[in-house]
Amino acid sequence: GAGVSQSPRYKVAKRGQDVALRCDPISGHVSLFWYQQALGQGPEFLTYFQNEAQLDKSGLPSDRFFAERPEGSVSTLKIQRTQQEDSAVYLCASSFLRSGEQFFGPGTRLTVL
Amino acid sequence: TQLLEQSPQFLSIQEGENLTVYCNSSSVFSSLQWYRQEPGEGPVLLVTVVTGGEVKKLKRLTFQFGDARKDSSLHITAAQPGDTGLYLCAGVGRSQGNLIFGKGTKLSVKP
Repeated sequence: GAGVSQSPRYKVAKRGQDVALRCDPISGHVSLFWYQQALGQGPEFLTYFQNEAQLDKSGLPSDRFFAERPEGSVSTLKIQRTQQEDSAVYLCASSFLRSGEQFFGPGTRLTVL
Repeated sequence: TQLLEQSPQFLSIQEGENLTVYCNSSSVFSSLQWYRQEPGEGPVLLVTVVTGGEVKKLKRLTFQFGDARKDSSLHITAAQPGDTGLYLCAGVGRSQGNLIFGKGTKLSVKP
């Protein structure tokens, strides 16, 4: 019955390191979204999954960003060769239906030094 | 490109005052949503407005959707320190249901 959880809550990476951010959606939710929220800004869409299928990755800023949801539940957002401009809060949201209410996790704050 | 512009970006008021936050777009949205986000947390949905001209009330919060479904407003009556937070408006994008957010209004209510 828990909400969306994300881990780690905070991540500090040196420039050039790879990072992996995890999202556990609400059980039974078909749709999963990743958003990036820069400091002082609203969230921006990165990518969308329906079950295990990645149906939209138009928001991914570069080919260093990769997301997967192999079994249609847990999702991982991976960022390769991190850059300082990748510093942001990464939010995951899930919903029962594509157009249903999205429930957000607490986010992972990534700081790239 | 669908964009949502929010104003003001920052608002600092005294407890008991009223305030209005605006969300505007040049695009028509099938619905608009308002979220509140506290530090270290994800956004939490407050309300969804669907019909042009619709008004919804949530205790001291009043939400309006413009007749043309391009704009919305959030009015708070007699603000309290517990109302402090980041208020975000969002519309559903055309493609797969992803949300398009405004930049948010950071509200601070001082006792």
